[in-house]
Amino acid sequence: EAGVAQSPRYKIIEKRQSVAFWCNPISGHATLYWYQQILGQGPKLLIQFQNNGVVDDSQLPKDRFSAERLKGVDSTLKIQPAKLEDSAVYLCASSLTGGDYGYTFGSGTRLTVV
Amino acid sequence: GNSVTQMEGPVTLSEEAFLTINCTYTATGYPSLFWYVQYPGEGLQLLLKATKADDKGSNKGFEATYRKETTSFHLEKGSVQVSDSAVYFCALSTNSGYALNFGKGTSLLVTP
Repeated sequence: EAGVAQSPRYKIIEKRQSVAFWCNPISGHATLYWYQQILGQGPKLLIQFQNNGVVDDSQLPKDRFSAERLKGVDSTLKIQPAKLEDSAVYLCASSLTGGDYGYTFGSGTRLTVV
Repeated sequence: GNSVTQMEGPVTLSEEAFLTINCTYTATGYPSLFWYVQYPGEGLQLLLKATKADDKGSNKGFEATYRKETTSFHLEKGSVQVSDSAVYFCALSTNSGYALNFGKGTSLLVTP
């Protein structure tokens, strides 16, 4: 089966600019996650969707980050305006249901804010 | 809250050496425990998991046992290979949403 697709692979922007990342999960996977991985740290959950509803966005900095999952399939994560500390790899993952632990991660988008 | 602590790296070993990467956790309830691996230039991959106390997860020669009494899930391999060089992440998940809490990762370098 095809994996979790993410684009772009790399992005460099200036601070205060906006940026968007796209994720296409594995077909049929109801649960989708966005994680932020800062260099030297483990991934941190930003938001979790079940179909097109939000399950957990408690760690999403809502003043600058937003995410949506239209029609319960693809998802976009947006940052506006970006700060230097947003430099990280943004990982998307999907699973068949929220409880079967069958996560598949995408390769991520590496964001550098200068 | 839930958290995972794993040993600092980098860990450098010679090929065929024994590997242990320590991982301890703090969680409410009864978490499931995981080891993920990230090879250079690749995405995170599930290495092994254990969903209840005393379970042993194993894969590709790696093993980890869920120890509730010591809140630990140490990763072991009897004989490492150069191809095992990667960053290893310990993680836990609880029933609340099943999202993963990761440790900071341990970098492993295996030399010939």
